[in-house]
Amino acid sequence: GDKVKQSPSALSLQEGTNSALRCNFSIAATTVQWFLQNPRGSLINLFYLVPGTKENGRLKSAFDSKESYSTLHIRDAQLEDSGTYFCAAEGDTGYQNFYFGKGTSLTVIP
Amino acid sequence: ETAVFQTPNYHVTQVGNEVSFNCKQTLGHDTMYWYKQDSKKLLKIMFSYNNKQLIVNETVPRRFSPQSSDKAHLNLRIKSVEPEDSAVYLCASSDDWGGYEQYFGPGTRLTVL
Repeated sequence: GDKVKQSPSALSLQEGTNSALRCNFSIAATTVQWFLQNPRGSLINLFYLVPGTKENGRLKSAFDSKESYSTLHIRDAQLEDSGTYFCAAEGDTGYQNFYFGKGTSLTVIP
Repeated sequence: ETAVFQTPNYHVTQVGNEVSFNCKQTLGHDTMYWYKQDSKKLLKIMFSYNNKQLIVNETVPRRFSPQSSDKAHLNLRIKSVEPEDSAVYLCASSDDWGGYEQYFGPGTRLTVL
């Protein structure tokens, strides 16, 4: 099964509203990264997390390793927030291995 | 500002041909990676290289091979491409053995006819 499950798979938001994306892990994740893939295909780094929380402007992310999940909160959504959001977890397997979720496709509507 | 560079941006080839994709990072990172992103946008790690040593090989087909001249470069060679190799190949780097943040290049889109 999927080691990283992202939800929702797709989301439409009215401009100015808030939402949260989530990743659940079936592995013992040690770190989590969140990315935004823009329409050109570039992966933009949003957050790199050890267990805890980080905030950057309208974005806030949390990683709870004990409960095996991470969240990405988007506040006051803007049109430029549209794209596909990925989380990636580093597994604690003795190898340096990374597992990506299948992504959340976000569309911000004017 | 881009710090992980990939060439070419796109490549179209026929089944059975050999292709090679280049990746260079100017971040001074120790580890570089290759990922494959399929048509459903699913990202899977293919290789990791640290100090010229292969760290992880995710049982990719043997026609794929990473090639590194130094820690700033990690190329990807596909000896005889197959239709299922059509995908976007993304290169990344990180500061240490996976314990640090990964930075990605813009990707190379391969189409196999």
